[in-house]
Amino acid sequence: EAGVAQSPRYKIIEKRQSVAFWCNPISGHATLYWYQQILGQGPKLLIQFQNNGVVDDSQLPKDRFSAERLKGVDSTLKIQPAKLEDSAVYLCASSFPGGANQQYFGPGTRLTVT
Amino acid sequence: AQSVAQPEDQVNVAEGNPLTVKCTYSVSGNPYLFWYVQYPNRGLQFLLKYITGDNLVKGSYGFEAEFNKSQTSFHLKKPSALVSDSALYFCAVREGNFNKFYFGSGTKLNVKP
Repeated sequence: EAGVAQSPRYKIIEKRQSVAFWCNPISGHATLYWYQQILGQGPKLLIQFQNNGVVDDSQLPKDRFSAERLKGVDSTLKIQPAKLEDSAVYLCASSFPGGANQQYFGPGTRLTVT
Repeated sequence: AQSVAQPEDQVNVAEGNPLTVKCTYSVSGNPYLFWYVQYPNRGLQFLLKYITGDNLVKGSYGFEAEFNKSQTSFHLKKPSALVSDSALYFCAVREGNFNKFYFGSGTKLNVKP
């Protein structure tokens, strides 16, 4: 079974530039999550999709972050413009719907903003 | 408000000894509890979960966790640690089917030969 795919694995940009991350979840997983993991901290949920609809984006900084999952499969997360404090690992995860189901995580994208 | 706490930033244990990584949670209803492990430059991997039923849950790689409702804890345990268990461990809690996951800050486990 193929896992959650993410690209790129690493990205270095200057502040005020824009960047986009891509995620392809496990086939059949209707729920997709984007997390931000700052060094030394646990993952923080940015946005959760159920198929192509947003379930929770309460912690997404909407003035600079956006995400979409147009066809209910793969998803993109964009930051525009980036700030120094956006330096983190961005993790994508997917699961079957329902709170009892565990999430499966991709390898993450390490973003460095200089 | 929901939250989860991992009181130890780091746990050191000798290979072959038992290990415990602590987790306490706070939810207003019945929790779904999870443990994940993260190796360097890798995503999080699921270890085990408690949904309902038996308080002792067994998971991958010989790990187990005990759900204690009165103490609101879900400590991760292993009878005999391996050097290869050295990694970052995260506890997570979710209340119900539609609420978000809350992750703890993580505990770094160091197993020395």
